[in-house]
Amino acid sequence: EVELVESGGDLVQPGRSLRLSCAGSGFTFSDYAMSWVRRAPGKGLEWIGFIRSKVYGATTEYAASVKGRFTISRDDSNNIAHLQMNSLKTEDTAVYYCSRWKHVQDHIDAWGKGTTVTVSS
Amino acid sequence: DIVMTQSPLSLPVTPGEPAFISCRSSQSVLHSNGNKYLGWYLQKPGKSPQLLIYLGSNRASGVPDRFSGSGSGTDYTLKISRVEADDVGVYYCMQGLQTPITFGQGTRLEIK
Repeated sequence: EVELVESGGDLVQPGRSLRLSCAGSGFTFSDYAMSWVRRAPGKGLEWIGFIRSKVYGATTEYAASVKGRFTISRDDSNNIAHLQMNSLKTEDTAVYYCSRWKHVQDHIDAWGKGTTVTVSS
Repeated sequence: DIVMTQSPLSLPVTPGEPAFISCRSSQSVLHSNGNKYLGWYLQKPGKSPQLLIYLGSNRASGVPDRFSGSGSGTDYTLKISRVEADDVGVYYCMQGLQTPITFGQGTRLEIK
């Protein structure tokens, strides 16, 4: 069974950094792109970015709202993806979901349960 | 960026009745390879989103056949043939044609 488990969510002050992790199991992790999506309180889903699989160069793409502040990386030997978040803003407060992106068909086909990030002084 | 616009934003439905959710994209999500890079997701209360439909009309594994997707170009529809109480939540369309990947605003389905 496919499972994605996020960790690392916390309460953090504006301007500080936080790193989220996503552990995947039940599938060949290296075959898939890994994506992050968030849902802020009272808002809808917002795609943050993804990292392609090595076959596709392990390249990254980001939403404009986080580009230059957030970095997605992957460690295929340990089946983990990371979301490094720097210069956090109050508007980054959200539930962050790790998700599996299916290449070629280009959609998200599996989601983690999410981890909560609260940015507040 | 491709803007995804859903309607209605709120949808009260009587159990057993059909429901339709519309999603319009600001530019076509139909690729030259013939694929429509449009997916539908449901986020039930307190849960993470789940995939319902991919490539416009393909039902994901385990999704009841009450759910169907249709459309082409810039206009897509999710149909629930007979709504059940378990279908409550927020429905999102998403385009996967190009980055940034974008979602519709969401349609909240509630039971009358």
